[in-house]
Amino acid sequence: DQQVKQNSPSLSVQEGRISILNCDYTNSMFDYFLWYKKYPAEGPTFLISISSIKDKNEDGRFTVFLNKSAKHLSLHIVPSQPGDSAVYFCAANYLLDDKIIFGKGTRLHILP
Amino acid sequence: KAGVTQTPRYLIKTRGQQVTLSCSPISGHRSVSWYQQTPGQGLQFLFEYFSETQRNKGNFPGRFSGRQFSNSRSEMNVSTLELGDSALYLCASSFGGTSADTQYFGPGTRLTVL
Repeated sequence: DQQVKQNSPSLSVQEGRISILNCDYTNSMFDYFLWYKKYPAEGPTFLISISSIKDKNEDGRFTVFLNKSAKHLSLHIVPSQPGDSAVYFCAANYLLDDKIIFGKGTRLHILP
Repeated sequence: KAGVTQTPRYLIKTRGQQVTLSCSPISGHRSVSWYQQTPGQGLQFLFEYFSETQRNKGNFPGRFSGRQFSNSRSEMNVSTLELGDSALYLCASSFGGTSADTQYFGPGTRLTVL
């Protein structure tokens, strides 16, 4: 049973436009959410996180929104740049279990 | 500061063999987690070690095991390899207070089982 779901395997966005990556979760006990970015032949790198007590966290071009009632979070990248082309993983954890559950990832293609 | 290193980067084994993968965390990090990445399943948590003790475990069979040494370096062992074990194995280190600590990933070991 997949607790963290990224339903879009891939997404293509024009350079300069907004990229929106979505993530749904099923476990209401999750209290911390993270986004990781992965380039080919490299390990994932941490991008941004959000605690369940917040509904928005912003870091430069990256903003994560959390909708707890819908069990949904999204990552917005504005404006999208060619270097943003990568696989993005959504992840969640809850302190009771203290392990991180990852989604399957969404491959983002930024088109010139 | 050196990042997380994993050796070897690539491995080819045959069914039934065993394999040992190594991970050296960032200096000062005490937690090491292992993940398996496959195209169909994404990143799946294997186990986490903290101060030489397994603190958390995912849903993998007992053929997958690990250990951590006093210098926080960790090894992962897979015995009786199966074709389905072909994957990218990633390790990640963190300071280790909680899993909310930022994890830093190594480049991974690509294991191919023939």
